[in-house]
Amino acid sequence: DAKTTQPPSMDCAEGRAANLPCNHSTISGNEYVYWYRQIHSQGPQYIIHGLKNNETNEMASLIITEDRKSSTLILPHATLRDTAVYYCIVRVAWSSNTGKLIFGQGTTLQVKP
Amino acid sequence: SAVISQKPSRDICQRGTSLTIQCQVDSQVTMMFWYRQQPGQSLTLIATANQGSEATYESGFVIDKFPISRPNLTFSTLTVSNMSPEDSSIYLCSVTGTAYEQYFGPGTRLTVT
Repeated sequence: DAKTTQPPSMDCAEGRAANLPCNHSTISGNEYVYWYRQIHSQGPQYIIHGLKNNETNEMASLIITEDRKSSTLILPHATLRDTAVYYCIVRVAWSSNTGKLIFGQGTTLQVKP
Repeated sequence: SAVISQKPSRDICQRGTSLTIQCQVDSQVTMMFWYRQQPGQSLTLIATANQGSEATYESGFVIDKFPISRPNLTFSTLTVSNMSPEDSSIYLCSVTGTAYEQYFGPGTRLTVT
């Protein structure tokens, strides 16, 4: 799985968009970008994933650069409940280790009133 | 998505005792995964539990310490044996979704005194 780099922390004002960056310069052609978050004392929550096209769901949008070396998770209207640690994980979709996620330190997003 | 429940949600145990953690999924899945999150750390995969076969353990984890059962396609247990304070962690079970995303249970917070 390709290595990812995320800023350790970010602040965002409530109601504003939160843009969380992730660098993955060594990503391979068959590797997807997955985003998870972990709200304090809860299990991690899957947010979104993508291969090369931008993706949007009810939680967030994922913007992947054309060269696929970086991506941005966008929470369009951040609320206090979005305060969490956000993890960007790059991996192939299916492998013999499909359930093995390697979590880095992620980005701690603090949404402030 | 998958809905996962765990029991107990938390426990305080004495050194040298064992605790069995239960994980129930709302759908049939081939593989279930057990993770550990030590205080202030990211998640680490302990083992993969397949129904009808022995669990596969990651490096640093052994069956005698973390025996796992997988009696059917919706249920698994993880036992933490002969506990020491170093076993104080959050233990989480996880399953893989149709897009190879991972879903996690709420976790079991274990404190060993």
